[in-house]
Amino acid sequence: NAGVTQTPKFQVLKTGQSMTLQCAQDMNHNSMYWYRQDPGMGLRLIYYSASEGTTDKGEVPNGYNVSRLNKREFSLRLESAAPSQTSVYFCASSDNSGRDPEAFFGQGTRLTVV
Amino acid sequence: DAKTTQPNSMESNEEEPVHLPCNHSTISGTDYIHWYRQLPSQGPEYVIHGLTSNVNNRMASLAIAEDRKSSTLILHRATLRDAAVYYCILYPFGNEKLTFGTGTRLTIIP
Repeated sequence: NAGVTQTPKFQVLKTGQSMTLQCAQDMNHNSMYWYRQDPGMGLRLIYYSASEGTTDKGEVPNGYNVSRLNKREFSLRLESAAPSQTSVYFCASSDNSGRDPEAFFGQGTRLTVV
Repeated sequence: DAKTTQPNSMESNEEEPVHLPCNHSTISGTDYIHWYRQLPSQGPEYVIHGLTSNVNNRMASLAIAEDRKSSTLILHRATLRDAAVYYCILYPFGNEKLTFGTGTRLTIIP
C-alpha cells in the first residue's frame, strides 16, 4: 500500500518556466489537497478537491492551477514559476465521509525557482 | 474558520510526559479537534482526534476541556523520536477544507 505518492521529489526551475507536480493516492479517498511549506513555517493550503471533478481555492491559490484528473490523481501546475514559489509542496488525501478523518501526506516535492 | 493558538516551542526531557496545549475559544459544535505532527524533512502524520470526550490511542492521549475551548495532547513518555512540530487543527465534520496553523516545535532533551 503506497499511500500518497508525489513526483518529482526535487526540481529546480528557472523563473518563467512551467511545470506540473503530480500526486496520486491509492486509498480511494474523495478529498485531496495541495499545500506549500516555506522554511520554518507551517503548511498553507493552496487548493483542495472534495471529490472527482471539483476543486476549490485554499489560502494561497495565486500563481497555481490544479486538475483533479480522476479519483486517484490531483496535479498542481505552475504556469510561470517565480522565486517566491520556492518551497516544499505536500499533497494529501483523506476520506471526507466522516468515517475515518485521518489525512495522509506524501513525502513532499522540494522546488527551487532560480 | 475557527482558529487555534499554540505555543511556538516547548522543551521536555526524554522519558517524561509531555503536555502540549491548544486554545480554540471560537470552536463550534461541529468542529473536531485533530492533532498532526511533522517530523524533520517529512510530511505531517496524523496523531489523534476527538470531539468531546478524551481519547487514547497507541501514540498519545487527547484531553478536551469540558467547554471544548482548549485541549491538550499528552505524550506519556517522550522519546527523541517525538521531536517534531505538533499541529492542533479544527476540522468541521463534513468540511473538506483542512488548514494548518504554525504549530508547536517540541524539542526533547536527552
